[in-house]
Amino acid sequence: KNEVEQSPQNLTAQEGEFITINCSYSVGISALHWLQQHPGGGIVSLFMLSSGKKKHGRLIATINIQEKHSSLHITASHPRDSAVYICAVIKDFGNEKLTFGTGTRLTIIP
Amino acid sequence: DAGVIQSPRHEVTEMGQEVTLRCKPISGHDYLFWYRQTMMRGLELLIYFNNNVPIDDSGMPEDRFSAKMPNASFSTLKIQPSEPRDSAVYFCASSWIRGDNEQFFGPGTRLTVL
Repeated sequence: KNEVEQSPQNLTAQEGEFITINCSYSVGISALHWLQQHPGGGIVSLFMLSSGKKKHGRLIATINIQEKHSSLHITASHPRDSAVYICAVIKDFGNEKLTFGTGTRLTIIP
Repeated sequence: DAGVIQSPRHEVTEMGQEVTLRCKPISGHDYLFWYRQTMMRGLELLIYFNNNVPIDDSGMPEDRFSAKMPNASFSTLKIQPSEPRDSAVYFCASSWIRGDNEQFFGPGTRLTVL
């Protein structure tokens, strides 16, 4: 069983819909990252969370340390949001090694 | 800043050949990471450096893989001898510890071993 699980694996939605991608992990962590991988393959770091909530534009990321769960939300989704979203955790304090989820492929239809 | 630079962008080689992938991190960053991405296994950390020193190489698959960081502006990942199962996209990323720990990824090197 993977230490980091994401759901759903694939998500197709209409433009304008509110999107939620979930990440659950089974280990203690010091931080959690959300990454975006574009169709062309480039990877961009979206958020790093150790508690609470962060917002950047239409993207919101939350984490519940007690429940070992994080969510990534996209408001007013747009076709350019189509990408693979990857959750990754840092398990050990002082070690920057990332353990990755398998990703969620999001497709936004105009 | 130009961002993280990787070369080559694409590499096709034959089994048994030596392959060297190169990375130039963002100036001022003190962490450098090498990742591998395949369809079967997704993204995996191979090794990372802090201030040019290897910190965690537990993801390096076997002795055929080696990584060096001779100075703050350059790192190499070498595979010798290469095998078809090494075919993957290899990403380099860099970061510095100042709260966000955001990692900046290079464009990747797509390696095909025939």
